[in-house]
Amino acid sequence: QKEVEQDPGPLSVPEGAIVSLNCTYSNSAFQYFMWYRQYSRKGPELLMYTYSSGNKEDGRFTAQVDKSSKYISLFIRDSQPSDSATYLCAADNDYKLSFGAGTTVTVRA
Amino acid sequence: DAEITQSPRHKITETGRQVTLACHQTWNHNNMFWYRQDLGHGLRLIHYSYGVQDTNKGEVSDGYSVSRSNTEDLPLTLESAASSQTSVYFCASSEPGRSSYEQYFGPGTRLTVT
Repeated sequence: QKEVEQDPGPLSVPEGAIVSLNCTYSNSAFQYFMWYRQYSRKGPELLMYTYSSGNKEDGRFTAQVDKSSKYISLFIRDSQPSDSATYLCAADNDYKLSFGAGTTVTVRA
Repeated sequence: DAEITQSPRHKITETGRQVTLACHQTWNHNNMFWYRQDLGHGLRLIHYSYGVQDTNKGEVSDGYSVSRSNTEDLPLTLESAASSQTSVYFCASSEPGRSSYEQYFGPGTRLTVT
C-alpha cells in the first residue's frame, strides 16, 4: 500500500467552477504536506505546502490538512483553463517525498 | 539563473543495454533524487543522495544505480535495460533542513526500452 493515496481522476470542470482534490496518507510521522502542479510534458513544481494540520490560502488556492483523519485537500476557486494540469499531493518523510498518483484536471473554457 | 537539467530528453534503447541518464543542478543543493513516473503510479523514488559520496535506495531501486562524485551531478544508470523500465524519469534537488519539501525538478527524460 502506498503511503499517500490519491484518486487519479481525471477531473473535467467548466471555467469558474471550484476544483476539489483529495488525498489520504498512512504515515503519522508526516509533518509537511505539499501540492505539486505538473503541466503536460514538464517537471512538477511546488504549488503550496502546509505544516501539520490547518489551512493555507494563496490567491485562488487553499490547502487543508486534517491530521486526525490523515486527509489532505486542495481547493481551486474560480478555476481557469490555465489551471489545467496534473496535481500531485505529497508528504515529507525525512527529506524524502512520498507522492500520490496525481489527479489530471481539465478546465473547459 | 540556477537550474536543473537532464539529458538526453528522449532515449530509445534495446533490452539488455546499459543506459546512463544525466542530471546536473546549479543550485549547489546537497539533496538530489531520481524518480520514475508511470501512469497510475505517480512519482516513485528510485535513488537519492544527501551529499557527495552518499547514495541511498528508494522504493523501486532494483536494476538502477547512482553515484555522487560532486555536488552538481547525480547520473542514473540502468545496468541492463528491461522493457519494464520504459518510463519518464525525473531528477530533483532540494536544500536540506526545513525547506526539503521544496524539490526542484528537471524537465524529465522519456526512456523507451524495446
